[in-house]
Amino acid sequence: DQQVKQNSPSLSVQEGRISILNCDYTNSMFDYFLWYKKYPAEGPTFLISISSIKDKNEDGRFTVFLNKSAKHLSLHIVPSQPGDSAVYFCAAISSFAGNMLTFGGGTRLMVKP
Amino acid sequence: DAGITQSPRHKVTETGTPVTLRCHQTENHRYMYWYRQDPGHGLRLIHYSYGVKDTDKGEVSDGYSVSRSKTEDFLLTLESATSSQTSVYFCAIGADSNTGELFFGEGSRLTVL
Repeated sequence: DQQVKQNSPSLSVQEGRISILNCDYTNSMFDYFLWYKKYPAEGPTFLISISSIKDKNEDGRFTVFLNKSAKHLSLHIVPSQPGDSAVYFCAAISSFAGNMLTFGGGTRLMVKP
Repeated sequence: DAGITQSPRHKVTETGTPVTLRCHQTENHRYMYWYRQDPGHGLRLIHYSYGVKDTDKGEVSDGYSVSRSKTEDFLLTLESATSSQTSVYFCAIGADSNTGELFFGEGSRLTVL
């Protein structure tokens, strides 16, 4: 039973526009939510995170929004650039579950020039 | 870049043979993890370590064992490889288990024929 789900396996966006990647979760005990970015033939790299006590965190072009009542988070990339084309993984961690990261299935973002 | 290397990067083996993947870090991080990445499943935790000789099972530990005799090395062993273990394996390290921010290696692609 997947506790973290990314329902869109792929997303295509025009360069300069906004990319919105979505993630849903079922475990209300998660303490942190994270986004990782992965290029082909490389390991995932940490992108941005948000604590469960916050509803927004911004870092340059990347903003993560958390809606706890809906158990939903999203990653906004503005403006999107071709170099943002990658697979994005949503992840969550709970101190009540041994601090193990649980990942979603990933969304492949393609930013077209 | 975090000092984390995996070896071998690519391996093809036959069903029933033993396989060992090695993860080496130069960051002196306490926590080390082995994940596997499969299409549609994101990254799933196999085993992790929270110190020398301290290891525990993750979500998909059946058929795998690990050892950590030194802080810098974390070995993943498939005692008798099966085709279902064909995957890309990622090692990760982390200084703090609470926030979920991990540094990943570049991955080891294993094919079991």
